Amino acid sequence: GQQLNQSPQSMFIQEGEDVSMNCTSSSIFNTWLWYKQDPGEGPVLLIALYKAGELTSNGRLTAQFGITRKDSFLNISASIPSDVGIYFCAGQVTGANSKLTFGKGITLSVRP
Amino acid sequence: KAGVTQTPRYLIKTRGQQVTLSCSPISGHRSVSWYQQTPGQGLQFLFEYFSETQRNKGNFPGRFSGRQFSNSRSEMNVSTLELGDSALYLCASSGAGRGSPLHFGNGTRLTVT
Repeated sequence: GQQLNQSPQSMFIQEGEDVSMNCTSSSIFNTWLWYKQDPGEGPVLLIALYKAGELTSNGRLTAQFGITRKDSFLNISASIPSDVGIYFCAGQVTGANSKLTFGKGITLSVRP
Repeated sequence: KAGVTQTPRYLIKTRGQQVTLSCSPISGHRSVSWYQQTPGQGLQFLFEYFSETQRNKGNFPGRFSGRQFSNSRSEMNVSTLELGDSALYLCASSGAGRGSPLHFGNGTRLTVT
């Protein structure tokens, strides 16, 4: 079945640093999504990407939809303590359903 | 606009029992999906409902079922609970637009003892 690969499992950075996360797949997706999950809460949508090559920003977050449609990256600039959490990538094949395939997530820790 | 609401937040059940979880989608959203989240398997798709019809189904046993009502609210049911069913169950809703992203609720934490 489809799988999304996110690595490493954990990342540790200093406050103020930039961080980049990749997500790769063996399959093509038509939509790439990035979510953040805080403890005890559900995933919150950060950025949605709909076109190969698309580069989209949301504040300090920037994400790109890879040209091959098999990868995406998320960049966080000037990290702050509240960026701590688990970051998930998700791929969607456009159709009559809303099934998402998720990566296992990357746990980000930010040292003050 | 209120977000996706899931009830209850926490549940403790015993093996062999059955459980029903509830989800109210964002107003105007007609698609409701359910996901199971565990530390080992991550987020796994259970099923999706649209206009009271199951539109897609993941690879879970028949003990896992769901339904959607005319007001788009959804319930999922797990019968004959097993220890491995302990997980965070997340509901997500999306709008009608093609590729509309999913918006998740805060989940129901189910513990099976």
